[in-house]
Amino acid sequence: DAGVIQSPRHEVTEMGQEVTLRCKPISGHNSLFWYRQTMMRGLELLIYFNNNVPIDDSGMPEDRFSAKMPNASFSTLKIQPSEPRDSAVYFCASTQQGNTEAFFGQGTRLTVV
Amino acid sequence: LAKTTQPISMDSYEGQEVNITCSHNNIATNDYITWYQQFPSQGPRFIIQGYKTKVTNEVASLFIPADRKSSTLSLPRVSLSDTAVYYCLVGEGGYNKLIFGAGTRLAVHP
Repeated sequence: DAGVIQSPRHEVTEMGQEVTLRCKPISGHNSLFWYRQTMMRGLELLIYFNNNVPIDDSGMPEDRFSAKMPNASFSTLKIQPSEPRDSAVYFCASTQQGNTEAFFGQGTRLTVV
Repeated sequence: LAKTTQPISMDSYEGQEVNITCSHNNIATNDYITWYQQFPSQGPRFIIQGYKTKVTNEVASLFIPADRKSSTLSLPRVSLSDTAVYYCLVGEGGYNKLIFGAGTRLAVHP
């Protein structure tokens, strides 16, 4: 397996634009996590899914953020409208439900100017 | 979820053994202890997991005392490539809301 695949690797966008980050989890994994990492706030859990269902989205900062998992092999994190303070590295991770050994993607570095 | 406390940073030299201790006073009966490693510009990587006593793999050892209120990650004979941030996580095996704290920034010097 190629591991968790995220796209794009880098994204630069202007304030106010919509941004969509994509994640393909490892085949067979049924838990998926979205994290945001900044120097100031560290690695924050935004939302996680079990069997394509959002279980806990308490980490989603604002209504501007939304995440979906239409099927077991694909998830998106959308920011609309984007703001400069959303600039961060966004990681997606997957694992088997109940397993604490999660596998992370390479991340998407988002810059909002 | 049990809160964890780790040193913010540590320094070591090549060839030394490094021990990073994590405090988790409120650990629950069903909680496992998991450690991750993160290199710059990469996502965290699972290192080791344990419930009690000692666990060892090809990368590290994890020591957990009987009261389980703390754990120690031991890295034998570190090299420059072990410079990274190390995270301790505590959570129930069936409840995988993986929360990362601030971690310990380990710097290995020549």
